[in-house]
Amino acid sequence: QKEVEQNSGPLSVPEGAIASLNCTYSDRGSQSFFWYRQYSGKSPELIMSIYSNGDKEDGRFTAQLNKASQYVSLLIRDSQPSDSATYLCAVSTHSSGGYQKVTFGTGTKLQVIP
Amino acid sequence: NAGVTQTPKFQVLKTGQSMTLQCAQDMNHNSMYWYRQDPGMGLRLIYYSASEGTTDKGEVPNGYNVSRLNKREFSLRLESAAPSQTSVYFCASSHPRPPFYSNQPQHFGDGTRLSIL
Repeated sequence: QKEVEQNSGPLSVPEGAIASLNCTYSDRGSQSFFWYRQYSGKSPELIMSIYSNGDKEDGRFTAQLNKASQYVSLLIRDSQPSDSATYLCAVSTHSSGGYQKVTFGTGTKLQVIP
Repeated sequence: NAGVTQTPKFQVLKTGQSMTLQCAQDMNHNSMYWYRQDPGMGLRLIYYSASEGTTDKGEVPNGYNVSRLNKREFSLRLESAAPSQTSVYFCASSHPRPPFYSNQPQHFGDGTRLSIL
């Protein structure tokens, strides 16, 4: 079982719709969760972080966390063609010696159709 | 704001050649990381440096060495390049600190696209 799992997609949504991206993780000790956006040929860019159960909203983006189900999701409202990218889920844990262990999923490719 | 700077951006090597990828950050971060990204494999950790003066192996360290030159700089060396090391290499940094060491996001450089023939 992979430590962080995402559906590779592509997930195709029409412009203006809600895109829903999902991620599950295996380590119950995971403490912090991040969503990165990666355009083709570019580096990952942080778009959301979430640390406690529930929803966190930032503009058109909403991150949702359910630690009991080991599930984190990202909703993108009013999807735009510029949102077309691969979205990486990252799960972070504190390891000994002050080391932050971060595990990435393989990403979900989102295509927003005009 | 430069953030994390990687050099070179592109490189083509022949099998058996050596080279060093350079990474520098100007955010005063304690921790630095080297990842490789391959299609379908996601980001895989090669080596990390939790703080200046320390380095440790990640998930895929074979064939690589690293040096944490100072707090700003963290280099990755391929001693004898192999075609299996063809990949995109990303350097990242973060600043884990108490009490919640895990809650700091990583910041990435633009990457080095490395091809080994």
